[in-house]
Amino acid sequence: AQSVTQLDSHVSVSEGTPVLLRCNYSSSYSPSLFWYVQHPNKGLQLLLKYTSAATLVKGINGFEAEFKKSETSFHLTKPSAHMSDAAEYFCVVSANTGGFKTIFGAGTRLFVKA
Amino acid sequence: EAGVTQSPTHLIKTRGQQVTLRCSPISGHTSVYWYQQALGLGLQFLLWYDEGEERNRGNFPPRFSGRQFPNYSSELNVNALELEDSALYLCASSLRGQGDEKLFFGSGTQLSVL
Repeated sequence: AQSVTQLDSHVSVSEGTPVLLRCNYSSSYSPSLFWYVQHPNKGLQLLLKYTSAATLVKGINGFEAEFKKSETSFHLTKPSAHMSDAAEYFCVVSANTGGFKTIFGAGTRLFVKA
Repeated sequence: EAGVTQSPTHLIKTRGQQVTLRCSPISGHTSVYWYQQALGLGLQFLLWYDEGEERNRGNFPPRFSGRQFPNYSSELNVNALELEDSALYLCASSLRGQGDEKLFFGSGTQLSVL
């Protein structure tokens, strides 16, 4: 069975401060993990992807995520928030369970204050 | 290169009506996925088509159906619309349908059921 939990439905930061969006997953298989971003009235865009190579994954727009198997976590971080980072972020787990199954987290809305 | 395109962008229907949503994947992509994004409920997987066949289906009633055409474009049909079908319907495509691939999303069709 697979599941993904985004621990915060909303996160608010000030511009220029660090961003941390938390994601825990559960999978009986070796999963691939993703973070997607959705800006208002837009489709989703891939930020980064982990597929059992380096545990620290660098993505677009200065975001990165660290895969921690012992903690079953895949938290998304960025050293310094920008106003344009305000969006909804989705953590996604995918594994071959006899056919790939992809599960999206419920999303975390990031607010960035000036 | 054109991205994933969806039509129409907005629809307003009444209860009991039927609706057809359309999706054109990125050129060369054979897999098409449909997701429902209702307010506050995150992305719920609806259907996955690859090479013209339905590969997987989410936990939705049979009145949600679809198909994929030889050119890999896809339709999502919803019969007997209910108020709770109001949502953003997102289509995504991927190159090979391997599940651990990057998904490319369209901007969605916003369906309102009155």
